[in-house]
Amino acid sequence: NAGVTQTPKFQVLKTGQSMTLQCAQDMNHEYMSWYRQDPGMGLRLIHYSVGAGITDQGEVPNGYNVSRSTTEDFPLRLLSAAPSQTSVYFCASSYSWGGSSYEQYFGPGTRLTVT
Amino acid sequence: DAKTTQPTSMDCAEGRAANLPCNHSTISGNEYVYWYRQIHSQGPQYIIHGLKNNETNEMASLIITEDRKSSTLILPHATLRDTAVYYCIVRERNAGNMLTFGGGTRLMVKP
Repeated sequence: NAGVTQTPKFQVLKTGQSMTLQCAQDMNHEYMSWYRQDPGMGLRLIHYSVGAGITDQGEVPNGYNVSRSTTEDFPLRLLSAAPSQTSVYFCASSYSWGGSSYEQYFGPGTRLTVT
Repeated sequence: DAKTTQPTSMDCAEGRAANLPCNHSTISGNEYVYWYRQIHSQGPQYIIHGLKNNETNEMASLIITEDRKSSTLILPHATLRDTAVYYCIVRERNAGNMLTFGGGTRLMVKP
């Protein structure tokens, strides 16, 4: 299994540009999430999905859109990039929603710079 | 309000045990304690979790105090590859697919 994969690894955007960060997992996980991590900070949840066709907002959703048309893929769209969105973006997936035994698998991250 | 409090940084000698403390004085009965770590520039990695009993796996041991207000993650024989930021996370059983990451403890394993 490749686990959770993210593309691209690095991206530079100009203010106002849009782009899509790709995330895919091959573990047949129902649950997927997007986090952002600013320098020296912990991760903050942007959006998450509990299955194909179902998404919801996390802690910092403004400026981002998501969709989940398949179990495997969970792309994150930046509508109009702003310098405040300069960050490292992590995608994660998990088998279970809650419960006592729970583990999230994280991708390697996409490092985004908005100038 | 942060649910957990961890020291900002710690050092440990290679080959020795690394003991990382975490305070979670407001933890409720249905909340679990999870530990993740993040090696530089990589995505976080799950280590271990527990409710009230001590837990051990191939990576680490988790010791939770009887009153559940604090816990300690133990890496029994730290190696240089264990240098990372370690996050202690308190999460409800039915909190779903969300992890709230605080600042964590930056562990530096030194030769």
